[in-house]
Amino acid sequence: DQQVKQNSPSLSVQEGRISILNCDYTNSMFDYFLWYKKYPAEGPTFLISISSIKDKNEDGRFTVFLNKSAKHLSLHIVPSQPGDSAVYFCAAKAAGNKLTFGGGTRVLVKP
Amino acid sequence: GAGVSQSPSNKVTEKGKDVELRCDPISGHTALYWYRQRLGQGLEFLIYFQGNSAPDKSGLPSDRFSAERTGESVSTLTIQRTQQEDSAVYLCASSLGGTGGEKLFFGSGTQLSVL
Repeated sequence: DQQVKQNSPSLSVQEGRISILNCDYTNSMFDYFLWYKKYPAEGPTFLISISSIKDKNEDGRFTVFLNKSAKHLSLHIVPSQPGDSAVYFCAAKAAGNKLTFGGGTRVLVKP
Repeated sequence: GAGVSQSPSNKVTEKGKDVELRCDPISGHTALYWYRQRLGQGLEFLIYFQGNSAPDKSGLPSDRFSAERTGESVSTLTIQRTQQEDSAVYLCASSLGGTGGEKLFFGSGTQLSVL
């Protein structure tokens, strides 16, 4: 039972354009959502997060949007840069701090 | 060290052997997690330690898997009688616990290959 799903396994975008990554969840008890970025042979690193009481959080080129009624969140990266090429994981937590991760989306930013 | 340290970085073993993976969390982090990532898949939760509370073992796939943590420091993940399907990257993470503890800091992982 996948509680967090990233339905697009990969995304290719031109440098300077916007990257939009999507994530859907099923557990209405999730109260905090995070995005992690992972380069090959490295552990995931925290990118940005959002509480369930908000619908948007922005940090530089990265913005996360949360639509609670649709149980959907998205990550926007604008403008995309070649260094953004990585696998991005959506994660969510309910009570406690255990995170449930999606399957990841591989982003390739073409120069 | 400044980050989460895991050892070994790579482990090749024969089916049926036992393996032990080690994690040194960030100093001061009360929470410690083990996750597994199979090739091409997402992160699969295994076990979670928080301070002196009983660990959350709900993600351990079988009784061949066990983990221990010494106080609020080192943790070891043990896999007994390894099987080929155990091949994966095993990731350890730590966090502050409590408010803000949802931000996990990951190590680089141990790549386990079971032949």
